[in-house]
Amino acid sequence: GAVVSQHPSRVICKSGTSVKIECRSLDFQATTMFWYRQFPKQSLMLMATSNEGSKATYEQGVEKDKFLINHASLTLSTLTVTSAHPEDSSFYICSARDSERGGPETQYFGPGTRLLVL
Amino acid sequence: GENVEQHPSTLSVQEGDSAVIKCTYSDSASNYFPWYKQELGKRPQLIIDIRSNVGEKKDQRIAVTLNKTAKHFSLHITETQPEDSAVYFCASSLSGGYNKLIFGAGTRLAVHP
Repeated sequence: GAVVSQHPSRVICKSGTSVKIECRSLDFQATTMFWYRQFPKQSLMLMATSNEGSKATYEQGVEKDKFLINHASLTLSTLTVTSAHPEDSSFYICSARDSERGGPETQYFGPGTRLLVL
Repeated sequence: GENVEQHPSTLSVQEGDSAVIKCTYSDSASNYFPWYKQELGKRPQLIIDIRSNVGEKKDQRIAVTLNKTAKHFSLHITETQPEDSAVYFCASSLSGGYNKLIFGAGTRLAVHP
């Protein structure tokens, strides 16, 4: 149980284009999802908290106009990297809280999306 | 804001030995402390967690201890096996709000046969 999926798993795009990443909770409803970015050999850095039906909350230093987040349903959140540049190349991971199964704080992670911007 | 420090950054042990990873946190209001294991290119997987009303928790070969006074928590892996080799992250959760996780820098554990 508590399965989170992400799509695509890997994407290569040209500089200046936009890329959309989907995060889905498959067997539970998630009012809150989180988006992280992880550079090679580094830790997970929280980018934003995605809330169903409301605007996302962004961490300090994360450009909300560049990283668009939409949480339109209880099982789907999307992250769109707009006008991507090579420095945006990273491993993007989402997580979702399953408050019924693991408690209000427990987060389950998606498999990640590796973005390469050429 | 909350800051989580994790040590060591790398740890090498022989199969069968124990491994200990330590973390400290700064916000005394933090009340949830999970540990995640991440293999190369894979998602972080929750291996054990502890809440602030408990001092120790054990699950087979894995245990976590929490010292609220010192704001320390540690992961203990006994009888290590080569498949335990991975990067381990500690995290703390800020109470209230959306319970977002703040992660430590990670520990790369290598278990040699």
